[in-house]
Amino acid sequence: GQQVMQIPQYQHVQEGEDFTTYCNSSTTLSNIQWYKQRPGGHPVFLIQLVKSGEVKKQKRLTFQFGEAKKNSSLHITATQTTDVGTYFCAGDFGNEKLTFGTGTRLTIIP
Amino acid sequence: DAGITQSPRYKITETGRQVTLMCHQTWSHSYMFWYRQDLGHGLRLIYYSAAADITDKGEVPDGYVVSRSKTENFPLTLESATRSQTSVYFCASRNRATGELFFGEGSRLTVL
Repeated sequence: GQQVMQIPQYQHVQEGEDFTTYCNSSTTLSNIQWYKQRPGGHPVFLIQLVKSGEVKKQKRLTFQFGEAKKNSSLHITATQTTDVGTYFCAGDFGNEKLTFGTGTRLTIIP
Repeated sequence: DAGITQSPRYKITETGRQVTLMCHQTWSHSYMFWYRQDLGHGLRLIYYSAAADITDKGEVPDGYVVSRSKTENFPLTLESATRSQTSVYFCASRNRATGELFFGEGSRLTVL
């Protein structure tokens, strides 16, 4: 089946440290999206990556899409308490349905 | 205001009862989705709809029924609720131009 694996499941970091979450698909993706869900909230769209090898930045967040369009990563530089939440990748296999990874829950130690 | 709304936000029901979760969006997005969120499983697709009167199964459709008589509404019905359907349910619509999914606030369902 079309699955998207995401690691790690949990990440605890000291404030100011960096954070990275990874997603991997066994088959080529049409595009991949990233979402953030704050505790008690709903997922909110962060970005969409479409091109092979694409790299996009949003302030302290860097998103990458692999050359083979099978993997992606989200890297946060110098985490802040506002970064707390669960980060999900969501793969589009070209059928309009997004398949979500299991998410990485980020907690920040002040 | 434009957006996507779900109701009820919280529901407690008993095993065997029928429950309907409502979803309404004001953007006229063609695609709408129902996901359930459980610890350790992330967001799993239950059903989706490409347009009014067009629906299809997702990853975990068993025990659920959907309909889409109007573009703006996409209700999800649990015909005979089971404890395993205790979950948080999210409705979403998709902007095809940007690909972005817009989620509702979620409906927390507890089946006793």
